[in-house]
Amino acid sequence: RKEVEQDPGPFNVPEGATVAFNCTYSNSASQSFFWYRQDCRKEPKLLMSVYSSGNEDGRFTAQLNRASQYISLLIRDSKLSDSATYLCVVRGNTGFQKLVFGTGTRLLVSP
Amino acid sequence: GAGVSQSPSNKVTEKGKDVELRCDPISGHTALYWYRQSLGQGLEFLIYFQGNSAPDKSGLPSDRFSAERTGGSVSTLTIQRTQQEDSAVYLCASSLSRNEKLFFGSGTQLSVL
Repeated sequence: RKEVEQDPGPFNVPEGATVAFNCTYSNSASQSFFWYRQDCRKEPKLLMSVYSSGNEDGRFTAQLNRASQYISLLIRDSKLSDSATYLCVVRGNTGFQKLVFGTGTRLLVSP
Repeated sequence: GAGVSQSPSNKVTEKGKDVELRCDPISGHTALYWYRQSLGQGLEFLIYFQGNSAPDKSGLPSDRFSAERTGGSVSTLTIQRTQQEDSAVYLCASSLSRNEKLFFGSGTQLSVL
């Protein structure tokens, strides 16, 4: 089983739609969680951290469910510019606490 | 300000040749990471440097892979006797310290023919 699993998509949505992605992780002792965004042929960039209480940044809302070991990302009022791959990232709690990346969920927002 | 710089941006090599990939992290960042990303795959951790501590090499896929970081700054990832399965984008990232946000370079696209 992969440490971090995501639905690869693609999710095809029209502009203005609301879309949600889930991600599951296998290590129950994981400490930190993030969503990164990766545009085609570009490097990943941090979108937002995910906190236990849930957090919001503009149109983006991230939530963590420790009991079920999943993380979600909700995007409201989708824009064309939101088209990208969204990477779920988990940091462990042992060793140097390396970041483990999911394979990503691809989002395509169309006019 | 300057971000993480990687060179070359593209490298085409023949099977069996050695290659060196360079990463220049953001000034002042003590942590440096190498990941690789194959087509359609997630990022695979390779190696991590933190200050003067011994690097975490647990992600290196074989003994053909090695990396060093000189003077706590520039890092070089070396792949000896390259194989076709080594073809991937090699991404370097740095962070201010161990648990801080990662900043990625734009990567080196390695193609082994």
